[in-house]
Amino acid sequence: KAGVTQTPRYLIKTRGQQVTLSCSPISGHRSVSWYQQTPGQGLQFLFEYFSETQRNKGNFPGRFSGRQFSNSRSEMNVSTLELGDSALYLCASSLTDGSNEQFFGPGTRLTVL
Amino acid sequence: AQSVAQPEDQVNVAEGNPLTVKCTYSVSGNPYLFWYVQYPNRGLQFLLKYITGDNLVKGSYGFEAEFNKSQTSFHLKKPSALVSDSALYFCAVRDRGNNRLAFGKGNQVVVIP
Repeated sequence: KAGVTQTPRYLIKTRGQQVTLSCSPISGHRSVSWYQQTPGQGLQFLFEYFSETQRNKGNFPGRFSGRQFSNSRSEMNVSTLELGDSALYLCASSLTDGSNEQFFGPGTRLTVL
Repeated sequence: AQSVAQPEDQVNVAEGNPLTVKCTYSVSGNPYLFWYVQYPNRGLQFLLKYITGDNLVKGSYGFEAEFNKSQTSFHLKKPSALVSDSALYFCAVRDRGNNRLAFGKGNQVVVIP
């Protein structure tokens, strides 16, 4: 089975712009989660989707949004980018959102200038 | 709200010595507990999980973890560390009641030859 794929792998944007990141889960996985990873803050949970519904949300401002499509693919959008949004954004998928472990993608490295 | 504490930023251990990475958690209900590892320039990988049953869980690469409900801990252990175990280790907890997931900040493990 193919793993979790994320596109693009690298992205450079300027302050005030918006960005959309994409995640394709492992085939058959219905749960997709997004995380922000930075050296100072570690791994921060953004949100989790299951069957197109947002099930959980972390403590991020409303500039961060996401959605999941019927084929389980997910997108994450960040509007009005700030310098502090520079991070590695990780997507993870799992069969369900309960006891199953998550499989992580390689991440999208976002740099905001 | 659920939370995870990994109290040590970095764990240094000599090759061949036992390795322990500490994790304590807080949830309102019963937990699902997970350990993940992130090798340099690679994505996060699942190591092991506790769902129910035997408190001692065995996982990949010779790692194991013990669930201790009274101490709300889930420490990761390996009897004999290898240089290749040098990586960033994350503990995670999911509350079975509200299904919310939280990751610890991660522990850098350095195995010294």
